[in-house]
Amino acid sequence: AQSVTQLDSHVSVSEGTPVLLRCNYSSSYSPSLFWYVQHPNKGLQLLLKYTSAATLVKGINGFEAEFKKSETSFHLTKPSAHMSDAAEYFCVVSFNQGGKLIFGQGTELSVKP
Amino acid sequence: DTGVSQDPRHKITKRGQNVTFRCDPISEHNRLYWYRQTLGQGPEFLTYFQNEAQLEKSRLLSDRFSAERPKGSFSTLEIQRTEQGDSAMYLCASSLTSGNTGELFFGEGSRLTVL
Repeated sequence: AQSVTQLDSHVSVSEGTPVLLRCNYSSSYSPSLFWYVQHPNKGLQLLLKYTSAATLVKGINGFEAEFKKSETSFHLTKPSAHMSDAAEYFCVVSFNQGGKLIFGQGTELSVKP
Repeated sequence: DTGVSQDPRHKITKRGQNVTFRCDPISEHNRLYWYRQTLGQGPEFLTYFQNEAQLEKSRLLSDRFSAERPKGSFSTLEIQRTEQGDSAMYLCASSLTSGNTGELFFGEGSRLTVL
């Protein structure tokens, strides 16, 4: 069965320090992988996506993620956290183009001043 | 605003009542999706349409739930005989089919509270 697991339900960092949000997937096929962000009272927004091109994907607001097939991982990173990065982050997988997305349970990112 | 819009944004109802949510997708998008999100969880897929055809339904979608997209534009999600367990955020999203790499555009959701 296709699934995605976010390894941390909550991550807390200080402003200006690196961010690492971890995600592993299970699949028998080559997936498309995404990270979405959800700010309070806002709709889900796409941060970045991997669709079998470059394994290192750059997204908006300085975020990037690396697809590692051998580790079945797609961790999200940012070199320096900003207060505005505080939100819920979802790792998402799709197994057929244009089809449904399967969401992880989310990681809440807190950023301390 | 040309994004996905949902109405109402918040609905409070008593157990046993019927509720209906509406979603207006981005105008050129032919795929429309419904998801449900409960507190502390990621969104769960409910169903999706390509134009007016309902292509897939999750087993989460009990027979009390029905979704329609009669003219391939807006969609409605109706919940009959609501239960307290139906309390959740109902999210709508839309996308293009051709050239689509799975990116969905989400609305801000309709929050349902069943008392």
